[in-house]
Amino acid sequence: GDSVTQMEGPVTLSEEAFLTINCTYTATGYPSLFWYVQYPGEGLQLLLKATKADDKGSNKGFEATYRKETTSFHLEKGSVQVSDSAVYFCALESPGGSYIPTFGRGTSLIVHP
Amino acid sequence: EAQVTQNPRYLITVTGKKLTVTCSQNMNHEYMSWYRQDPGLGLRQIYYSMNVEVTDKGDVPEGYKVSRKEKRNFPLILESPSPNQTSLYFCASSLWGTQYFGPGTRLLVL
Repeated sequence: GDSVTQMEGPVTLSEEAFLTINCTYTATGYPSLFWYVQYPGEGLQLLLKATKADDKGSNKGFEATYRKETTSFHLEKGSVQVSDSAVYFCALESPGGSYIPTFGRGTSLIVHP
Repeated sequence: EAQVTQNPRYLITVTGKKLTVTCSQNMNHEYMSWYRQDPGLGLRQIYYSMNVEVTDKGDVPEGYKVSRKEKRNFPLILESPSPNQTSLYFCASSLWGTQYFGPGTRLLVL
C-alpha cells in the first residue's frame, strides 16, 4: 500500500537558518503530493502541493519539488522565522480517487530567536 | 468565509456515555472525512464519505459511527466511548485531493 516517510523531529533551528524536512513516499502510479502545516492549537492547513513529476509547489517562502526518480518531496525554506514553528505533514493521494490520503507522522519544527 | 467547523472543541466524558461530535462545511464539498491524531502515530483516518448517504471505513473505524444525511454535515458518533478513544479529532472536507481541516476536538474519556 501507499506510505509516506518523514524525518523524525523535532528539528530545532535558529532564526534565518536554512530548513530541509525530508519526505519520501511509496505509491503506485503518479500520486499528488502535499505539505500541510499545523500551528499550535489549530487544525492542519495546506501549505503547498504538486500534482505531477518535476512540479514545484511553493508558498510563504517554502518550496518542494516532486521528484519521481527518487520518490521524494522534500520541504525547504531559505530563512526560517520564529513564526514558522509548527508541525509539518507530508501527504499523498493516489490517482484514481481512492479518497484515503496517506499522511506522514509529522515533523515538529522549533525556531529560536 | 470558507471553513469547516467542529463542535465541541473540548469534551470530557466517562466510559460508555454516548457522544456526538458535529462537523459542518460551507464549501459544498462532496468528500468529507474524520481523523484522529495521537502522539507518535500522526494522523489516521477513521471514516470518510464521498457524498450524501455514502460512507466507508478508513484505517481505524472500530468504535466509531458516522452518518451523512446532508452534504454539509458529517457527525462522528461514539456510542460507547472508551479511554483508548481519548484523542484529538479532526474533520475535513476535500476538493481535488486538497484537505480542508476543522480546528479539532480534544476528547478525554475517563
